[in-house]
Amino acid sequence: AQSVTQLGSHVSVSEGALVLLRCNYSSSVPPYLFWYVQYPNQGLQLLLKYTSAATLVKGINGFEAEFKKSETSFHLTKPSAHMSDAAEYFCAVTIRGGTSYGKLTFGQGTILTVHP
Amino acid sequence: GAGVSQSPSNKVTEKGKDVELRCDPISGHTALYWYRQSLGQGLEFLIYFQGNSAPDKSGLPSDRFSAERTGESVSTLTIQRTQQEDSAVYLCASSLARGLAGEQYFGPGTRLTVT
Repeated sequence: AQSVTQLGSHVSVSEGALVLLRCNYSSSVPPYLFWYVQYPNQGLQLLLKYTSAATLVKGINGFEAEFKKSETSFHLTKPSAHMSDAAEYFCAVTIRGGTSYGKLTFGQGTILTVHP
Repeated sequence: GAGVSQSPSNKVTEKGKDVELRCDPISGHTALYWYRQSLGQGLEFLIYFQGNSAPDKSGLPSDRFSAERTGESVSTLTIQRTQQEDSAVYLCASSLARGLAGEQYFGPGTRLTVT
């Protein structure tokens, strides 16, 4: 079975500062990894995904994440935070193949607050 | 184009009543997923449809929960004899094909409150 751990349920940064949201995964087979964002009272929106091509993945809104197999990590970063980045972020994993292929297992989420 | 839609957006029901939640996926999406988001449990997978069949029902929490999909389109999640612990936001997602894992498009959810 696969799992995801997001370190830090709340992260607070100043506008213009670096955003770093941490995600570690556990999977017995090569995973696909994703970051989703959820704005208040809205559904989830895909930010970016890793599917075994480049280990550094660029997504929407200036976000990127790096897959590090040795560290079983997939941390999300953005060089300069904007007020509009305030939302809840979810890291998710699915495995390739088998009956669970496509089923997303989510982390607990990290609420990002951006201060002026 | 239209995204995934869900209805109702909010549902308040009394304990013991049955409820039906509806999901309209993006047209042409063959894969459909139901998830539940609650304060205590986070985001949990419930059930997955490929076409009209459900090869993975492993996330349904009890036999009070069931789901069906017809015409490779609309899906209905039914909760019988609702309990207070069923209170959550129920999210539906669809994807073009199972092979495009993770390219799931989510609806806005149905917030269920059981009183």
